[in-house]
Amino acid sequence: KNEVEQSPQNLTAQEGEFITINCSYSVGISALHWLQQHPGGGIVSLFMLSSGKKKHGRLIATINIQEKHSSLHITASHPRDSAVYICAVPFYNTDKLIFGTGTRLQVFP
Amino acid sequence: DTAVSQTPKYLVTQMGNDKSIKCEQNLGHDTMYWYKQDSKKFLKIMFSYNNKELIINETVPNRFSPKSPDKAHLNLHINSLELGDSAVYFCASSQVGGVETQYFGPGTRLLVL
Repeated sequence: KNEVEQSPQNLTAQEGEFITINCSYSVGISALHWLQQHPGGGIVSLFMLSSGKKKHGRLIATINIQEKHSSLHITASHPRDSAVYICAVPFYNTDKLIFGTGTRLQVFP
Repeated sequence: DTAVSQTPKYLVTQMGNDKSIKCEQNLGHDTMYWYKQDSKKFLKIMFSYNNKELIINETVPNRFSPKSPDKAHLNLHINSLELGDSAVYFCASSQVGGVETQYFGPGTRLLVL
């Protein structure tokens, strides 16, 4: 079992829908990363958060350290949001990032 | 201005060959990484360097040898390439370690025939 689990693995949505992607982890951490991998392959860091909530445009990330759970929300989804979203945690706060298996999101017009 | 660059972007080679992938970052970061993304798109860390010093070597075969000539560069040399080495290799950098935002290079798609 992977130390970082994401759900769902695949997600399709109509443009405008509210999207939620979940991430649960089993190791002790002080921060969690959300990454976006574009269809072309490039990886971009969206958020790094250690508590509460962060917002960037239509993207919102929340984390509950006690429950070892984080969510990534996309409001008013758009076809350009179609990508793979990956959560990652530093293994017991070392340099070693452990990645989830990713959630493939497709947003249709 | 590309923050983290990798060369080449694509690499097609025969089994048994030796190849290198280069990575450079112009962000002034102290820590650099190599990740491997397999055919199932699962990312896994291979190495991390902090200020030219190896910090993580994640049970990678000896055929893989990272080299950091200075803290802005981290190259990956692979000897005796095998079919299973086919993957996308990403370089990344961050200011400190896993608890800081990481910036990824565009990836190098390696195909071993």
